[in-house]
Amino acid sequence: DTEVTQTPKHLVMGMTNKKSLKCEQHMGHRAMYWYKQKAKKPPELMFVYSYEKLSINESVPSRFSPECPNSSLLNLHLHALQPEDSALYLCASSQELTGGYNEQFFGPGTRLTVL
Amino acid sequence: GENVEQHPSTLSVQEGDSAVIKCTYSDSASNYFPWYKQELGKRPQLIIDIRSNVGEKKDQRIAVTLNKTAKHFSLHITETQPEDSAVYFCAAASSGFQKLVFGTGTRLLVSP
Repeated sequence: DTEVTQTPKHLVMGMTNKKSLKCEQHMGHRAMYWYKQKAKKPPELMFVYSYEKLSINESVPSRFSPECPNSSLLNLHLHALQPEDSALYLCASSQELTGGYNEQFFGPGTRLTVL
Repeated sequence: GENVEQHPSTLSVQEGDSAVIKCTYSDSASNYFPWYKQELGKRPQLIIDIRSNVGEKKDQRIAVTLNKTAKHFSLHITETQPEDSAVYFCAAASSGFQKLVFGTGTRLLVSP
């Protein structure tokens, strides 16, 4: 399996809702990422997990809470979001090798709308 | 931190023409430079990448060049086809630091 999968494809939520985005890969990758992409903009890094531990948090508001239950799964828990959080949320994964950089494989994304 | 600038923001060419997209980066420690193609509503997909120990890399109609001294790298697409139409993003990253910094993107339109 050489794909990163994400669920759901689309999500509409109110500002008081709690929801979760899910990401899964079975390529044996040990680094996983969450990106946020607004329309006509590049992906912006939110979080990086390395060997199931959070290694980078790009000063993301606490209403976004990542979780890496195991090496294949990555979740993003959402709570009390704002309309400006509406965006495409992309998950990615890559091999984790010391001293090198490896291709990031992106999932198809979850298009989130906050009402 | 790293900053990546990308030009042009839009590029329109006729089918069969060549297209060139240019990026500059700020962090001399960056040593990995991928290019991603993103079609409308789709995920970014890696089309080619280059590491700092190489000056040029080619894959069929696509080539990337890197000038470390000037901190420039460019994507060259020859014999463009309508299916090349998409947004192209350059990016830069440092070894051992799993953070990609993307350029602002170039919307390429190839007209038949």
